[in-house]
Amino acid sequence: RKEVEQDPGPFNVPEGATVAFNCTYSNSASQSFFWYRQDCRKEPKLLMSVYSSGNEDGRFTAQLNRASQYISLLIRDSKLSDSATYLCVVVVSDSWGKLQFGAGTQVVVTP
Amino acid sequence: GAGVSQSPSNKVTEKGKDVELRCDPISGHTALYWYRQRLGQGLEFLIYFQGNSAPDKSGLPSDRFSAERTGESVSTLTIQRTQQEDSAVYLCASGRAGLYNEQFFGPGTRLTVL
Repeated sequence: RKEVEQDPGPFNVPEGATVAFNCTYSNSASQSFFWYRQDCRKEPKLLMSVYSSGNEDGRFTAQLNRASQYISLLIRDSKLSDSATYLCVVVVSDSWGKLQFGAGTQVVVTP
Repeated sequence: GAGVSQSPSNKVTEKGKDVELRCDPISGHTALYWYRQRLGQGLEFLIYFQGNSAPDKSGLPSDRFSAERTGESVSTLTIQRTQQEDSAVYLCASGRAGLYNEQFFGPGTRLTVL
């Protein structure tokens, strides 16, 4: 079993709609969580950190469910520019900050 | 300020040759990672440097791969006797130590082995 798992998608989303997807992690010692965004043929860039209480940044909302060991990302009012691959990242507390990446969820926003 | 830089941006080599890829992290970042990403695939962890600690080499796919880092600065990833399956984008990332600090990626080196 992979340590970080994501639905690869693609999630085809009409412009203006809402899309949400999850990422599950296997190590209960996971301590911090991030969502990164990767555009085609570009490097990943941090989208947002995920805090225990959940957090919102504009149209993006991230939540953490420690009991079920998953994090989620919700995108409201999708824009064409939101089309990208969204990478879930988990940091395990005993790993000196080593990042563990999921394989990514592809989102395609259509006009 | 300056971000993570990598060189070369593109490298085409012949099978069996050695290649060296360079990463210049952001100044002050003690953590440095190398990843490999094949076309259409996810990130594959290769190696992790954290300060002066022994590097985590658990992701290196074979003994043809090695990496070094001088203190908390430049890192080089060396691939010996390249094979066609080594063709990929090699990404470097750096960050501050700690569990809650983001990592910043360089633009990558696209390696093509003919």
